[in-house]
Amino acid sequence: QVQLQESGPRLVKPSQTLSLTCSVSGASINTGTYYWTWIRQHRGKGLEWIGYVYFNGGTYYNPSLRGRFSISMDTSRNQFSLKVNSVTAADTAVYYCARIYGDYPNWFDPWGQGTLVTVSS
Amino acid sequence: DIRMTQSPSSLSASVGDKITITCRASQSINNHLNWYQQKPGKAPSLLIHGVSTLQRGVPPRFGGSGSGTDFTLTISNLQTEDFATYYCHQTYGDPWTFGQGTKVEIK
Repeated sequence: QVQLQESGPRLVKPSQTLSLTCSVSGASINTGTYYWTWIRQHRGKGLEWIGYVYFNGGTYYNPSLRGRFSISMDTSRNQFSLKVNSVTAADTAVYYCARIYGDYPNWFDPWGQGTLVTVSS
Repeated sequence: DIRMTQSPSSLSASVGDKITITCRASQSINNHLNWYQQKPGKAPSLLIHGVSTLQRGVPPRFGGSGSGTDFTLTISNLQTEDFATYYCHQTYGDPWTFGQGTKVEIK
């Protein structure tokens, strides 16, 4: 059974970098044909897809976001990470990691429990 | 971006009711449509993928249908544990996008 768990600082100051890690158990992130993704949800709002990292380390990001996002993987720890540069209050959200399943069409399953990150001085 | 519009935004229903949630895409998304359930304080969980395929473990009272731009999620014989927010999600166009959610509340 695949499980994902987000971790990282819950409070980040404006203009700094938000860094989160997703630890994966029950599957190796660098095998198979899975993608691994980040999604965020602003308080009381809908879901916004951020981007993904492929099992071979390739990445793709939501082109509607402004290029401040970076996803990477650490195969030795079976983790993948999200960095958001130059954060503002608008980046305050619950951040989820998930596995992308399927081969076009795709779907997200399972999800991590999510972690609330607040951007504030 | 493909805009996903759900209706209604919220609804009140009773245990045992049958409800239908609609999701309309701003352009055709073929069969690349998923549904998720989210309970307060929890992560979304997959209910249905590819329009109508139930995720393993999802009760058969959940059903999905549709094609092109118009899709529906139907819940028959609504149970207490079904009161939650439901999101549709398309993975056809770039970027992948979600509907705004439909909150199902107890009447």
